[in-house]
Amino acid sequence: KAGVTQTPRYLIKTRGQQVTLSCSPISGHRSVSWYQQTPGQGLQFLFEYFSETQRNKGNFPGRFSGRQFSNSRSEMNVSTLELGDSALYLCASSLALPSTDTQYFGPGTRLTVL
Amino acid sequence: QKEVEQNSGPLSVPEGAIASLNCTYSDRVSQSFFWYRQYSGKSPELIMSIYSNGDKEDGRFTAQLNKASQYVSLLIRDSQPSDSATYLCAVNKLEGFKTIFGAGTRLFVKA
Repeated sequence: KAGVTQTPRYLIKTRGQQVTLSCSPISGHRSVSWYQQTPGQGLQFLFEYFSETQRNKGNFPGRFSGRQFSNSRSEMNVSTLELGDSALYLCASSLALPSTDTQYFGPGTRLTVL
Repeated sequence: QKEVEQNSGPLSVPEGAIASLNCTYSDRVSQSFFWYRQYSGKSPELIMSIYSNGDKEDGRFTAQLNKASQYVSLLIRDSQPSDSATYLCAVNKLEGFKTIFGAGTRLFVKA
């Protein structure tokens, strides 16, 4: 069974631009969670989607948004990029509940904002 | 106070020794606890999950949970250089559907 895939793997953008990241969960998994990882803050929860609905959201500004499609694939968007948005963005999929089911992480997208 | 706290390390142990990694959490009603291993430049991978007080063993790994003390630990027996990585403790919050991660402990196993 294929693992979680994320595209693109690397991105370089400039301040003020916007970016869209994509995540394809493991086949059969309906929950997708997004995390931001930086050396200073560690892994921080962005949001979680299940059956095309956002079930929970972390403490990030409205510039960060996401959605999930009927095939469980998910995208996250960051608008008006800031230097501090440079990070590794990870998505994780689970069968239903990320709080109890095992979460499987994708390889991540490394975003650099110049 | 952070919701999930870990000693950032680095923790250095000789090959063959027992490595002990600790984690405390603040939400008393947390239900599920996880240990992930993350190699440099890679994404986290699940090592252990534990839901009940006590010990849970899987090969060289033992997770220990003490809900009264709000404490979860991971023991790695017969540590190997390949165990050198950052270990992330994760705790679910009863409210909502999210898991909170600690900042991680860097482990070095010296050959």
